[in-house]
Amino acid sequence: SQQGEEDPQALSIQEGENATMNCSYKTSINNLQWYRQNSGRGLVHLILIRSNEREKHSGRLRVTLDTSKKSSSLLITASRAADTASYFCATATSGTYKYIFGTGTRLKVLA
Amino acid sequence: EAGVAQSPRYKIIEKRQSVAFWCNPISGHATLYWYQQILGQGPKLLIQFQNNGVVDDSQLPKDRFSAERLKGVDSTLKIQPAKLEDSAVYLCASSALGRAEQFFGPGTRLTVL
Repeated sequence: SQQGEEDPQALSIQEGENATMNCSYKTSINNLQWYRQNSGRGLVHLILIRSNEREKHSGRLRVTLDTSKKSSSLLITASRAADTASYFCATATSGTYKYIFGTGTRLKVLA
Repeated sequence: EAGVAQSPRYKIIEKRQSVAFWCNPISGHATLYWYQQILGQGPKLLIQFQNNGVVDDSQLPKDRFSAERLKGVDSTLKIQPAKLEDSAVYLCASSALGRAEQFFGPGTRLTVL
């Protein structure tokens, strides 16, 4: 079963623009993670936000978490062609360590 | 620090044949995961080990899939017999004990004909 659902499924933007993708989940969580996957590669961890945090920054990445709405957003500012990849959120139901990945957002950044 | 190693990178087999995948996690990582990623979908957890014990295998099709992690280090995932719907990328990941961040290997792309 899918815990996280990313939205949009696909996003195409110009280099330099900001990209925003959203993740919705179903149960109470301890934390939420975002991962990036380049074509034909494994996933790379980007950022983790805990359930008691509302916003977190890492370089050009900004993540927000709204536990009342069971949703999170990932903002990539000043996007680059190298940001072209699929982005997944991953959540584990509170009290477990079993992470479930969402369906992913495919981001294409045009040079 | 060496990353998670997987082999082979690619495998093509016919249905009803068997296949095995190997994973070597990051040194010292207690937790090891096997995921199945079908094209266009997110990774689905098949089995999770902590050291050499199974934490979760609720989504592992046990009639055909098996996995082991001898000595709490390397792991193998086997499919016997394979079906067409097993065509996917099989990802191995590891994490340090008590840490959420997972480190993924490059995956094995399996094609079942």
